Amino acid sequence: QVQLQESGPGLVKPAETLSLTCTVSGESSTDYYYNWFRQPPGRGLEWIGYIFYSGSTNYNPSLKSRVSISRETSKWQFSLKVTSVTAADTAMYYCARGSIAAGGVQPWGQGTLVTVSS
Amino acid sequence: QSALTQPASVSGSPGQSITISCTGTSSDVGIYSYVCWYQQHPGKAPKLIIFDVTSRPSGISNRFSGSKSGNTASLTISGLQAEDEADYYCSSYTRSSTLIFGGGTKLTVL
Repeated sequence: QVQLQESGPGLVKPAETLSLTCTVSGESSTDYYYNWFRQPPGRGLEWIGYIFYSGSTNYNPSLKSRVSISRETSKWQFSLKVTSVTAADTAMYYCARGSIAAGGVQPWGQGTLVTVSS
Repeated sequence: QSALTQPASVSGSPGQSITISCTGTSSDVGIYSYVCWYQQHPGKAPKLIIFDVTSRPSGISNRFSGSKSGNTASLTISGLQAEDEADYYCSSYTRSSTLIFGGGTKLTVL
């Protein structure tokens, strides 16, 4: 059974770069998209972007200038970087497998809370 | 790109049926059959319960059903149970090849 686990610092200073890693276990196929989402406390979900196993990426236009998603294929890990963070980037960050079109996105990791504060 | 529109809250008694609407535009819900619904319990990650407008993932109860008419998709939960109390989010693929969500609907089981 495929499982995803997010990891990274829980506290980031304003203007710095937020870096998170998603580790995938139990996966054998390379034919999947891996997404990042976030959810500010008490608010709704936002799609950040995805990377396909081949390396192609697609980002939410509202975040595109500050976001990058990359992968380490040998380790089944996918990384998210968000530059120049502000308090508005404080959120629970989730990684999840699947297409944003056909088939839906599942499973999801448990999420990791990132707070932007000095 | 604007978010999809969902009611902030709905409620129902055990055993009843409720429907949550999700209104988009002709650039997302109206032109694609790629609407999903996610259930999120407090402190938990979202869980996919409907994909491609009407399909249920393995293990999801047939009490959950989805539909779409024009620019509006709907999630119906029949035979409400206490465990259904959660937040529900719809999402849709868009003409810009991105994904947008609704603002979420809090379901209260009375």
